[in-house]
Amino acid sequence: DAKTTQPPSMDCAEGRAANLPCNHSTISGNEYVYWYRQIHSQGPQYIIHGLKNNETNEMASLIITEDRKSSTLILPHATLRDTAVYYCIVRVNNAGNMLTFGGGTRLMVKP
Amino acid sequence: GAVVSQHPSRVICKSGTSVKIECRSLDFQATTMFWYRQFPKQSLMLMATSNEGSKATYEQGVEKDKFLINHASLTLSTLTVTSAHPEDSSFYICSAEDQTGEQFFGPGTRLTVL
Repeated sequence: DAKTTQPPSMDCAEGRAANLPCNHSTISGNEYVYWYRQIHSQGPQYIIHGLKNNETNEMASLIITEDRKSSTLILPHATLRDTAVYYCIVRVNNAGNMLTFGGGTRLMVKP
Repeated sequence: GAVVSQHPSRVICKSGTSVKIECRSLDFQATTMFWYRQFPKQSLMLMATSNEGSKATYEQGVEKDKFLINHASLTLSTLTVTSAHPEDSSFYICSAEDQTGEQFFGPGTRLTVL
């Protein structure tokens, strides 16, 4: 799986949008971009994933650049409960294919 | 959504004893489950891939005789830490893969070895 680069930490004001960037310049054509988050002392939680089109669900939006070398996860209205470590992972969406976690971005949402 | 449970959530044991951790997919069948370990302030590290009915595949540096994995059914995988020592103290997390290839994580098990 290709590696990803994320800033180690970010702050965001409560109620504002949180934009978390991820670089994946060596991504292959069949690799998806996945985002998970991990709240302290819990297992990772799936947020969203996409291949090349922008995606949106009830939790977040995923914006993937046209060349697919980077992406941004957007939490439209961050709350204190969104404080967590956010992991951007690229992965071929095949059965039995593991997830490789990097360092992630520690997002601190402040009141 | 798919739910994965782990038991126990927290365990404290004496050095030299063995500890078994269960990972269950509650509402789906998982041919493949993964076991991760996470030390404080670090990211998750894959330990092994567990396939139902076959031997687990271990990552480099993970001792297969120390971390025994059994995946006896499509909804249950177990990780046994044998002869645990303080350096095995960690947060152990499993994930289960559904038939679409998506992975869902358990809540984790915090192991403390005294």
